[in-house]
Amino acid sequence: GAGVSQSPRYKVAKRGQDVALRCDPISGHVSLFWYQQALGQGPEFLTYFQNEAQLDKSGLPSDRFFAERPEGSVSTLKIQRTQQEDSAVYLCASSSANYEETQYFGPGTRLLVL
Amino acid sequence: DQQVKQNSPSLSVQEGRISILNCDYTNSMFDYFLWYKKYPAEGPTFLISISSIKDKNEDGRFTVFLNKSAKHLSLHIVPSQPGDSAVYFCAASGGSGTYKYIFGTGTRLKVLA
Repeated sequence: GAGVSQSPRYKVAKRGQDVALRCDPISGHVSLFWYQQALGQGPEFLTYFQNEAQLDKSGLPSDRFFAERPEGSVSTLKIQRTQQEDSAVYLCASSSANYEETQYFGPGTRLLVL
Repeated sequence: DQQVKQNSPSLSVQEGRISILNCDYTNSMFDYFLWYKKYPAEGPTFLISISSIKDKNEDGRFTVFLNKSAKHLSLHIVPSQPGDSAVYFCAASGGSGTYKYIFGTGTRLKVLA
């Protein structure tokens, strides 16, 4: 059975470089979430989509972070002009029709900015 | 301001014994609580959840207890197995229309064979 998949699994970027992280949610899941997990911390909410609509982006740390889900399925988290403090694991989660349903997480993308 | 706290960074338990992981929260609006297990280089895996209308939920070896007056929940694993060794995160959400999970910092459980 296909769970949430993310690519790439690891990404090394030079400071100032733009990166794009991809998330494929569970098929048919309406709600999609992005979280950021720093070393030794729990995941922290970044943004939430219901289908293609971005209903909450209050957790995005700066305007360098941008997320989209144009067709209501695959989502991309883009970070422009990466900084060292952006180094973290970026987790994607999806849930079924109702956002109150349990969120299922992908394996994450580990981003290291040098 | 950390709304969900896991004050024990690590816990070691002998195989076959009970593991008890604790979590405290400060926001009285939280009404849904979850536990996730995380292995290295993998994403968090859903384990068990509980709604605030209940004080206990059981699934096989895993039981979650909720004490609303104390704003405290715990996860009991009985009997503990070496494969249970992982980092456990508690998470909470709540209030009308609230969908974001607030996570604790995790407890690393080591089950000794």
